Amino acid sequence: QSALTQPASVSGSPGQSITISCTGTSSDVGGYNYVSWYQQHPGKAPQLMIYDVSKRPTGVSNRFSGSKSGNTASLTISGLQAADEADYYCSSYTSTSIPVFGGGTKLTVL
Amino acid sequence: EVQLVQSGAEVKKPGESLKISCKGSGYIFSSHWIGWVRQMSGKGLEWMGIIYPGDSDTRYSPSFQGQVTISADKSISTAYLQWSSLKASDTAMYYCARAAPGSYFGMDVWGQGTTVTVSS
Repeated sequence: QSALTQPASVSGSPGQSITISCTGTSSDVGGYNYVSWYQQHPGKAPQLMIYDVSKRPTGVSNRFSGSKSGNTASLTISGLQAADEADYYCSSYTSTSIPVFGGGTKLTVL
Repeated sequence: EVQLVQSGAEVKKPGESLKISCKGSGYIFSSHWIGWVRQMSGKGLEWMGIIYPGDSDTRYSPSFQGQVTISADKSISTAYLQWSSLKASDTAMYYCARAAPGSYFGMDVWGQGTTVTVSS
């Protein structure tokens, strides 16, 4: 059970849009519509931003959106804000019935 | 308010045992999967395992199978993570989290984390 693959870092300027990818296999991302995305600020617990590929929990800004194509899921943040600077992790249900995380992506707002 | 409250920070010596807890409130504890997640200092999140308190169905990530034990007592709305013999490499932050209703492990509520330090 290998970790999902995410870029180590992405960056963008305020107001811009960025996309973070999360690549797995047909045994995880590609096989199920159960991808979640988490935001984690330093020293804080993770926060769920997207679940089941594209659903937003109550209270999460609609600037955050999720999608999936084949074995790759994506998180898009539009209208980038300074407060969005954080680490982002994807997670997917897998054929072993236990989820797996991606390695994490550090988002820098320039 | 739906919340998970974890037990406090622990400092242990190698070889000692440890059991940390995660108490749920504000919802039907037995009806939601609880997961345990490790985060070593400066590193990413790692799934350790998950448990369904309603029937104690428990699943472990391969990396943690045999290394830890996950359990739950639904009568007191509490999940546990335990070690029988700690190693220095178990030093980390440990989070518990609840699966969102109807979600396959989209974890919508997180505990505040428990820091475990293992040092001689």
